Amino acid sequence: KAGVTQTPRYLIKTRGQQVTLSCSPISGHRSVSWYQQTPGQGLQFLFEYFSETQRNKGNFPGRFSGRQFSNSRSEMNVSTLELGDSALYLCASSWNDRGDYTFGSGTRLTVV
Amino acid sequence: LAKTTQPISMDSYEGQEVNITCSHNNIATNDYITWYQQFPSQGPRFIIQGYKTKVTNEVASLFIPADRKSSTLSLPRVSLSDTAVYYCLVGDDNTGKLIFGQGTTLQVKP
Repeated sequence: KAGVTQTPRYLIKTRGQQVTLSCSPISGHRSVSWYQQTPGQGLQFLFEYFSETQRNKGNFPGRFSGRQFSNSRSEMNVSTLELGDSALYLCASSWNDRGDYTFGSGTRLTVV
Repeated sequence: LAKTTQPISMDSYEGQEVNITCSHNNIATNDYITWYQQFPSQGPRFIIQGYKTKVTNEVASLFIPADRKSSTLSLPRVSLSDTAVYYCLVGDDNTGKLIFGQGTTLQVKP
């Protein structure tokens, strides 16, 4: 069974640009969550989507947004990139609300 | 926002049992406690999940006291390949969000 697929794996962007990251969950999983991971802050929750609706949101500025499509695939967008947005962005999918996620390998975003 | 607290790092030797404790004072009443393992450049991998008392699977055990304000991940007879970062994940009673601990870096030595 295919795992959670995140594309691209690596990305380099310039300050002020915007970026879109993609996540394909495990087939049958309707919940998709996004996390930002940095050495200093650990795993920070960005948002969660379930059946195309944002169900929960973390404490990130409005520059961070996301959406989920009818096939459960999800995208997250970061506008007006800042140097501090450099991080590993992880997507996780689940079939329930218990927190037993399957994570993708992440997208490593570097802002220069 | 509730804090989920774990030791920053631990050292062990091959063949020993390792216990990593996570404190989560504001755990939501109905939420589960989940532990993950993460290797460099990979996403976290599910290890074990429980609600109360003790849960055991083929790789680990999870001990949860009656008040559920902490949990202990137990790894029996660790090997060098168990060197990784271990995270606990719990639901916060105040926000309803799932919160990761800051992670425990386990170093297993030969």
